[in-house]
Amino acid sequence: DAGVIQSPRHEVTEMGQEVTLRCKPISGHDYLFWYRQTMMRGLELLIYFNNNVPIDDSGMPEDRFSAKMPNASFSTLKIQPSEPRDSAVYFCASSLSPDRASSGANVLTFGAGSRLTVL
Amino acid sequence: SQQGEEDPQALSIQEGENATMNCSYKTSINNLQWYRQNSGRGLVHLILIRSNEREKHSGRLRVTLDTSKKSSSLLITASRAADTASYFCATRTWDTGRRALTFGSGTRLQVQP
Repeated sequence: DAGVIQSPRHEVTEMGQEVTLRCKPISGHDYLFWYRQTMMRGLELLIYFNNNVPIDDSGMPEDRFSAKMPNASFSTLKIQPSEPRDSAVYFCASSLSPDRASSGANVLTFGAGSRLTVL
Repeated sequence: SQQGEEDPQALSIQEGENATMNCSYKTSINNLQWYRQNSGRGLVHLILIRSNEREKHSGRLRVTLDTSKKSSSLLITASRAADTASYFCATRTWDTGRRALTFGSGTRLQVQP
């Protein structure tokens, strides 16, 4: 497996523009997570899905953020309209359900991240 | 505030020395995990310790967990320049069905060759 694949790796956009980040999780993984990393706030959970269903979106900053998982192999995180304070590295991660994992726990595999700069 | 807080925030050592990083957390946990992040890359899982375990080893890594003090430590023995990275602890709280991990603020480790 190629691991968790994110695109784009880098995005520079202007304030007010729509941004769409994409993620392909590891095949067979039940859970998908979106995290945001900044120097000031560290790694923050935005939302996570189980079997394509959003379970907890309490970390989504505001209505400008939305996430979808139309099927088991694809998820998007959209920001509309974008603002400079959204500048961060956005990570997607996936994991097996603890019931199916040899460790019996959610061990996350992260993508390489999408670095977003909003001017 | 972060569930996990690492200490120190930054650590610089010479190759061959041991590196110890600490993590404190606030609520009861199901398990605690350590991850490494190289500059510009995603996080990589290193080791997991369950709440009923006190110590675990994996290669040059040794993790301890003290649930009474709500703290964990990660020891890297005989460090190498390639160990230079940021290290994060992550916890999953026990009292909810929430499957997501909460990450600490990280320790930046610099190993000088």
